[in-house]
Amino acid sequence: DSGVTQTPKHLITATGQRVTLRCSPRSGDLSVYWYQQSLDQGLQFLIQYYNGEERAKGNILERFSAQQFPDLHSELNLSSLELGDSALYFCASSPRRDSHYEQYFGPGTRLTVT
Amino acid sequence: AQTVTQSQPEMSVQEAETVTLSCTYDTSESDYYLFWYKQPPSRQMILVIRQEAYKQQNATENRFSVNFQKAAKSFSLKISDSQLGDAAMYFCAYRSAWYGGSQGNLIFGKGTKLSVKP
Repeated sequence: DSGVTQTPKHLITATGQRVTLRCSPRSGDLSVYWYQQSLDQGLQFLIQYYNGEERAKGNILERFSAQQFPDLHSELNLSSLELGDSALYFCASSPRRDSHYEQYFGPGTRLTVT
Repeated sequence: AQTVTQSQPEMSVQEAETVTLSCTYDTSESDYYLFWYKQPPSRQMILVIRQEAYKQQNATENRFSVNFQKAAKSFSLKISDSQLGDAAMYFCAYRSAWYGGSQGNLIFGKGTKLSVKP
């Protein structure tokens, strides 16, 4: 158990819908990363937050957005869902911004868009 | 941009034998970190081993060791005395070494599926 929690574990929804994935980092970790794992694209970095502020963006679609709240939990919002958005979404946390620190992965949320 | 390549989509090893998974990467940076992650059927991402590019000594964690060749940009994982529980997807990953900047994300290869035969 990495100490990172993600809810829900599984999510099934229809095209065009909007969903919110939630991540609670390890106690004390300030940095949160979101990754998408799909059959087509493999594991891709989406976005990073540090202490409530967006720090870096990867291959994140405009239909996707995220935020980190004062209690440091983070949410990834996916809207106008398409079949291709079906994937496993991971959240990872680390203590600081610096790359010296490890990233600890949550168990992931499996999103299925039908 | 940095890239990570794993040229072996699938590998197989007999229980108790040794197997080596290959990884190459491309970067213009001189300071970075390399990782091997294991993803069993449970889908949990588990850090297996980490290597700092500035360290010449190859990292070792119990039965897992790496062969880090900085000039060749090669980073292979050796699993000794393979066990049934080692069966999983293995991902090689790169991360820039950066202090106080903005980029700390991992860049992953496509993965190698390792099967362990009893």
